[in-house]
Amino acid sequence: ELKVEQNPLFLSMQEGKNYTIYCNYSTTSDRLYWYRQDPGKSLESLFVLLSNGAVKQEGRLMASLDTKARLSTLHITAAVHDLSATYFCAVEIYGGATNKLIFGTGTLLAVQP
Amino acid sequence: EAGVTQFPSHSVIEKGQTVTLRCDPISGHDNLYWYRRVMGKEIKFLLHFVKESKQDESGMPNNRFLAERTGGTYSTLKVQPAELEDSGVYFCASSQYQGGPSFFGPGTRLTVL
Repeated sequence: ELKVEQNPLFLSMQEGKNYTIYCNYSTTSDRLYWYRQDPGKSLESLFVLLSNGAVKQEGRLMASLDTKARLSTLHITAAVHDLSATYFCAVEIYGGATNKLIFGTGTLLAVQP
Repeated sequence: EAGVTQFPSHSVIEKGQTVTLRCDPISGHDNLYWYRRVMGKEIKFLLHFVKESKQDESGMPNNRFLAERTGGTYSTLKVQPAELEDSGVYFCASSQYQGGPSFFGPGTRLTVL
């Protein structure tokens, strides 16, 4: 069974601190996504990582991908309260004429002032 | 441009009743996906439409769930009869082409009592 494991499930951190969310997956994939979800809102795409060694940065968030280790990380630098949300990683799987996303369980991030 | 919309945002029904969820994708998006997140678990794929055709319905839990996309525009997901374990958040997503980015709706929170 295809699995995407994300940890931690819950992360409480202080403003100004750094932390990393990890995403391990059990199958080869061409694409890995990171999404952010605020309560009651849509999943917002943050990053799509396409190849081994890919690194993307947007503001205080940086995502990387190691396809050999089947590991992606989302690094948070100098957290601010506005980053509080649930973060999901997802692996895209293709099969014939269809494709789908396999999600991790999500990480609920709470940044305390 | 309007994003993916879902209706209703919340639904509370009793076990044994019927509920129909609706998703309006972004205009021009041929690909439409349904996903579900049961409390505390990962977001799971339900099915994938290309226009009005079901490309993959391998994630549908059982025959109490029926998805349609008449005319290849909006889609409905009917649960009949609803059971307690059907409670969760149902997300819809659309993409213009396979392999393109998926845009998610805000979800419908279904509670079955």
